[in-house]
Amino acid sequence: GAGVSQTPSNKVTEKGKYVELRCDPISGHTALYWYRQSLGQGPEFLIYFQGTGAADDSGLPNDRFFAVRPEGSVSTLKIQRTERGDSAVYLCASRASRNTEAFFGQGTRLTVV
Amino acid sequence: AQTVTQSQPEMSVQEAETVTLSCTYDTSESDYYLFWYKQPPSRQMILVIRQEAYKQQNATENRFSVNFQKAAKSFSLKISDSQLGDAAMYFCAYIRRGSNYQLIWGAGTKLIIKP
Repeated sequence: GAGVSQTPSNKVTEKGKYVELRCDPISGHTALYWYRQSLGQGPEFLIYFQGTGAADDSGLPNDRFFAVRPEGSVSTLKIQRTERGDSAVYLCASRASRNTEAFFGQGTRLTVV
Repeated sequence: AQTVTQSQPEMSVQEAETVTLSCTYDTSESDYYLFWYKQPPSRQMILVIRQEAYKQQNATENRFSVNFQKAAKSFSLKISDSQLGDAAMYFCAYIRRGSNYQLIWGAGTKLIIKP
C-alpha cells in the first residue's frame, strides 16, 4: 500500500478480554515499530522488528503484551486480559533500511471499559 | 538514558505570524538525529523536519526551520507565516545513530492558530 495501515481504527473492549491490533507497513520496509500513546503524552516505544524477528521488545510493559510479524510484513500486537490502564492509542511505524525516517499509521484507539 | 523535554504544553499564534516551539534533550551521545513531528486530530504522525547532530547548519523546510544548539542541547522549531492547517500537536523526538532507531519523544506542544 501507499502508507502504513492500521486496523481497526477504534476498538472498545471489556476488561479482561483479548484484543489484536494489526499493522500493515509500507511495502519493502524491513523495520517496524509499535508505540503506545496515552492521553496527553508523547508516544512510548513498545517493540521493534527487523524482518520477522523482534529485535528489541524492551518496551513491552508486561507479559500480557505480545507482538508477531511472521512473514516480515504485517504485524499484530496482542494484548491478553486487558485492563483499563491499557486504554491508549497504539501507533505503528515502518522504516526502510539505511533511512532514519519512520512513517506512521493513523493508530488504533483502544478503550477498555 | 536519553530524555526529551517540551516545556510548553500549549502555544497560540495569530494566523500569518511566527511562533517558536521549544525542545531540550539530554544525551551523552555525540552522534544522533533530532526530529519534529506534527500530529493532527487524525492521529497520524507526520515528519516536519529533521536535523543531523553532526551538521552545524540548521535545517529548513519551507516555512519551518530549526535552531539547533548542540552545546546547549536545545532544538527549537520556528514556524513562519502560520496557517490554519498548522494547528496540531507538535512532538520533538530523538534517535541515537547506530541504535535500532527507536524514537524517544517529548510530551508535545499543542499549537493553536487564531484566525
